[in-house]
Amino acid sequence: GQQVMQIPQYQHVQEGEDFTTYCNSSTTLSNIQWYKQRPGGHPVFLIQLVKSGEVKKQKRLTFQFGEAKKNSSLHITATQTTDVGTYFCAGALEIKAAGNKLTFGGGTRVLVKP
Amino acid sequence: NAGVTQTPKFQVLKTGQSMTLQCAQDMNHEYMSWYRQDPGMGLRLIHYSVGAGITDQGEVPNGYNVSRSTTEDFPLRLLSAAPSQTSVYFCASSYWGQGSSPLHFGNGTRLTVT
Repeated sequence: GQQVMQIPQYQHVQEGEDFTTYCNSSTTLSNIQWYKQRPGGHPVFLIQLVKSGEVKKQKRLTFQFGEAKKNSSLHITATQTTDVGTYFCAGALEIKAAGNKLTFGGGTRVLVKP
Repeated sequence: NAGVTQTPKFQVLKTGQSMTLQCAQDMNHEYMSWYRQDPGMGLRLIHYSVGAGITDQGEVPNGYNVSRSTTEDFPLRLLSAAPSQTSVYFCASSYWGQGSSPLHFGNGTRLTVT
């Protein structure tokens, strides 16, 4: 079945540095969503990417969807303590006559060192 | 606008007990779903519903039942709790189905089965 893998599982970042987390799917996706979950909280939707090669920015966050629509990345510049949390990607696979099937990756847990 | 409301926030059960986790949304979303979150495994879909009277199984449905009598409510029933069901449970809703629009998550229920 469809698998969505995220790497790394953990990311320790010095405050002010940049980092990237990656999401890879075993199958071609119709779109990909990214969520952020603060410690003790619930996942909150960040963005959805639909087009091949699409790049979207939200302040210090840059999201990219691969040309083959099988991978995605989230790049954070100048990391701040407010970036602490777990970032999940969720890949949507189109199933004809059944709509989309959404599969979450295992998440990248980000810890920021002040 | 309350969004997605889950109750209770915490629950401890003994093996074999039954209980219902409540979920309600006030956004008039047709799609509702239940996920469980275990360390390192991301979010796994238990059951989902695309509208009142319609439910279907997700990735890990065994040991759980759902019903959808109204658009607003989507309760999750544990028939006979087992220690393997110790987890954090999230209810989520969206305007369209899986992966077609952003998921709105409730605050979660932390369940421990002893």
